[in-house]
Amino acid sequence: GESVGLHLPTLSVQEGDNSIINCAYSNSASDYFIWYKQESGKGPQFIIDIRSNMDKRQGQRVTVLLNKTVKHLSLQIAATQPGDSAVYFCAEANMEYGNKLVFGAGTILRVKS
Amino acid sequence: GAVVSQHPSWVICKSGTSVKIECRSLDFQATTMFWYRQFPKQSLMLMATSNEGSKATYEQGVEKDKFLINHASLTLSTLTVTSAHPEDSSFYICSARDPRTGRNQPQHFGDGTRLSIL
Repeated sequence: GESVGLHLPTLSVQEGDNSIINCAYSNSASDYFIWYKQESGKGPQFIIDIRSNMDKRQGQRVTVLLNKTVKHLSLQIAATQPGDSAVYFCAEANMEYGNKLVFGAGTILRVKS
Repeated sequence: GAVVSQHPSWVICKSGTSVKIECRSLDFQATTMFWYRQFPKQSLMLMATSNEGSKATYEQGVEKDKFLINHASLTLSTLTVTSAHPEDSSFYICSARDPRTGRNQPQHFGDGTRLSIL
């Protein structure tokens, strides 16, 4: 389930299930979007990106969906594994303005074995 | 792939001390690097953009005299937290983009520096 409030929202899934992490971005002029994974005490690690001229992009076990109409981004992880447990951040940028990233609030993914 | 390294990874020091954090691009040259701050259970907030050979660009609300940035070479940017106080305790992270990979390519992040001011 998910919980929101003073803490980052948390998504708990069973190992082997698919995970869907959602993100609402703020700037309609953003044209480049990235998902990062951050493990405790480490910097963000790139997972997958998508440009605004696409609505779906697939990687290994991950898929990013972009809905520009409602400014929504999602990350789907297939066959979630314990090693996927981390905090996931979406980030947006407008490539005309110097590659500055604006990060979303983040979601904690907990994978139960 | 592109690697960004930060040093030190953890600093504990007394209030009033100035602390320098280094960010290096190990296998590429970066004319631009970015410094972020992250408080516990929160997202990354961009503090400033570090530009090689010129002044850094600070985000609104970030004191440039408090957080000194120097980008003296194409592979090194430093962030100095001057006269640090407990409220400056945070996780500081740098990033850079490999310019060889084109414009729409992700930034690569260092592993962060945890700063604890007593």
